Amino acid sequence: AQTVTQSQPEMSVQEAETVTLSCTYDTSENNYYLFWYKQPPSRQMILVIRQEAYKQQNATENRFSVNFQKAAKSFSLKISDSQLGDTAMYFCAFMEGVGGNQFYFGTGTSLTVIP
Amino acid sequence: DAGITQSPRHKVTETGTPVTLRCHQTENHRYMYWYRQDPGHGLRLIHYSYGVKDTDKGEVSDGYSVSRSKTEDFLLTLESATSSQTSVYFCAISNPHRGGGYLQPQHFGDGTRLSIL
Repeated sequence: AQTVTQSQPEMSVQEAETVTLSCTYDTSENNYYLFWYKQPPSRQMILVIRQEAYKQQNATENRFSVNFQKAAKSFSLKISDSQLGDTAMYFCAFMEGVGGNQFYFGTGTSLTVIP
Repeated sequence: DAGITQSPRHKVTETGTPVTLRCHQTENHRYMYWYRQDPGHGLRLIHYSYGVKDTDKGEVSDGYSVSRSKTEDFLLTLESATSSQTSVYFCAISNPHRGGGYLQPQHFGDGTRLSIL
């Protein structure tokens, strides 16, 4: 089975500052997909950003960007200009690309944005 | 937002009673999933379905069964609930496209908080 590790259970950042959340994964596959989900106190799971492993360019969505290091099996999320609404639990997720139909989630990082 | 409805949103029941959670989608997505979310474990897959009457086990399937008689509905049943099954349960749907380089991500329902006393 694939494994996804988020080594930072809790993090905090000052409003307007930048923060990076770490994620590593273990796989023998060459084709796969990676995702970051956000879960605010409302409990909804919201897709933040996704990355296809075959793409070398790092994905970007407004203030959210990733640093995808395929050889190191690392997929970190950078949040720029942090806002109070970014306070949430963040989950990293992995999905195999060929024949895969399961998502594997990390244990999450609780991010608090401090005013 | 993807059309996914979970019911009930909250439930409290006693050990040993049967419990059924329902997930209903209006997106006509092929895949449906049931996860449980517990502190320190993230989301763990219980069962998933890849079509009507086609289901398979996930990581933590013991004590759970599922059924999918229609594309839009995926039921999760606890035949005899135990306190260890107290959790928040999430349904998710997806319609993966392979070969085209574009993958539909999983969309999640709002969760069901289940407490077993």
